Amino acid sequence: GAGVSQSPSNKVTEKGKDVELRCDPISGHTALYWYRQSLGQGLEFLIYFQGNSAPDKSGLPSDRFSAERTGGSVSTLTIQRTQQEDSAVYLCASSLVGQETQYFGPGTRLLVL
Amino acid sequence: GENVEQHPSTLSVQEGDSAVIKCTYSDSASNYFPWYKQELGKRPQLIIDIRSNVGEKKDQRIAVTLNKTAKHFSLHITETQPEDSAVYFCAADTNSGYALNFGKGTSLLVTP
Repeated sequence: GAGVSQSPSNKVTEKGKDVELRCDPISGHTALYWYRQSLGQGLEFLIYFQGNSAPDKSGLPSDRFSAERTGGSVSTLTIQRTQQEDSAVYLCASSLVGQETQYFGPGTRLLVL
Repeated sequence: GENVEQHPSTLSVQEGDSAVIKCTYSDSASNYFPWYKQELGKRPQLIIDIRSNVGEKKDQRIAVTLNKTAKHFSLHITETQPEDSAVYFCAADTNSGYALNFGKGTSLLVTP
């Protein structure tokens, strides 16, 4: 079946602009995660959604970052007033409830000029 | 936050040799330890995982060992092939029960 999909695959923006990144999880997966992967670094947890529960936003690096998940499926990560240090690959993952295995999307490579 | 340390950062082996990547973690509550392989420009793919009630797990040429007392776990790849070349990440679950803490990755190069 279809895996996790993300769009756009690449995004170049100017400092100060807002960007929206989209994640479409595997059908039936109620858990959704966002991670950030900076150059040469591991994956950094950002936010977690599980069903209709309040999201765990503990990994968001600043209040410029926000995310929502509509209808328990598609999620959007929004970065406001982008900064150069926001340049990274943003990865989305999903999993079945109660299952630890996370399946990753291909990521969105964000470059802030 | 809790950390996962991964070594080495780069590893070069000749085809047919074994490769070993080691990770340590600090959260004694961690119970789930996956390993992901990420080829250049592609998504991380789960290759093997281990849970705390098991000391070793093997899948063909790949094996993972876990020492909960010492808080370290290792990935072993035997009979390496050029297609094993990639970045490998270890991870450990957190006390949240869902978020993963990742190591910084090991870039493995297998030369023919």
